[in-house]
Amino acid sequence: EVHVVESGGGVIEPGQSLRLSCSASGFNFGDYAMSWFRQAPGKGPEWVGVIRSKGYGETRKYAESMKGRVSLSRDDFTNTAYLELSRLTIGDTGVYYCSRENEMVASPWFDSWGRGTQVTVSS
Amino acid sequence: QPVLTQPPSVSGAPGQRVTISCTGTSSNIGSGYDVHWYQQLPGTAPKLLIYGNKNRPSGVPDRFSGSKSGASASLAIAGLQSDDEAYYYCQSYDDSLSGSRVFGSGTKVTIL
Repeated sequence: EVHVVESGGGVIEPGQSLRLSCSASGFNFGDYAMSWFRQAPGKGPEWVGVIRSKGYGETRKYAESMKGRVSLSRDDFTNTAYLELSRLTIGDTGVYYCSRENEMVASPWFDSWGRGTQVTVSS
Repeated sequence: QPVLTQPPSVSGAPGQRVTISCTGTSSNIGSGYDVHWYQQLPGTAPKLLIYGNKNRPSGVPDRFSGSKSGASASLAIAGLQSDDEAYYYCQSYDDSLSGSRVFGSGTKVTIL
């Protein structure tokens, strides 16, 4: 069974940085791109960025609104994806999710959401 | 701001059929990119409901169906049940936004 678990969230002060983890199981992690999302309170999901598989050069793409502050990485040995976000503001508060992504299609879908990890930016 | 437009809410009585629209533009749905739909129950993560415009993942009842025409897509829910009360989001790809996966504004389905 495909399973992902996000972790690393918490209460963080404005201006600080965070690193979130996404641990995957139940599928061949190295064959998939991994996307990250976030959902602010009372809002819909927002795509943050994607890191493609080694077969596609581990290419990274980021949402325009996040460029310059976000960095994605992956470790295919431990089946884990990472999100680093810097210069946090209150607007970064929300639940952060990851999901695998089929990189063979032009419009990918997301079939493996974990429970997410809550990030609260507050002084 | 969400790139894809959905009605904020729809409602129906148990057993009825409701439809949710998802309107895009020439840089996303209108360019031929597939549309996918997610259901989000209160306090839970989104769940894939429809992929590739009309395909249901294993385990999703056939009461849920999707379609696409031009720059718009629709999700239909037949035989409404109480546990269908949730938010529903459409999602596609937009080639004007640097590899962006884009979501709709979301629709709250209320069972009367």
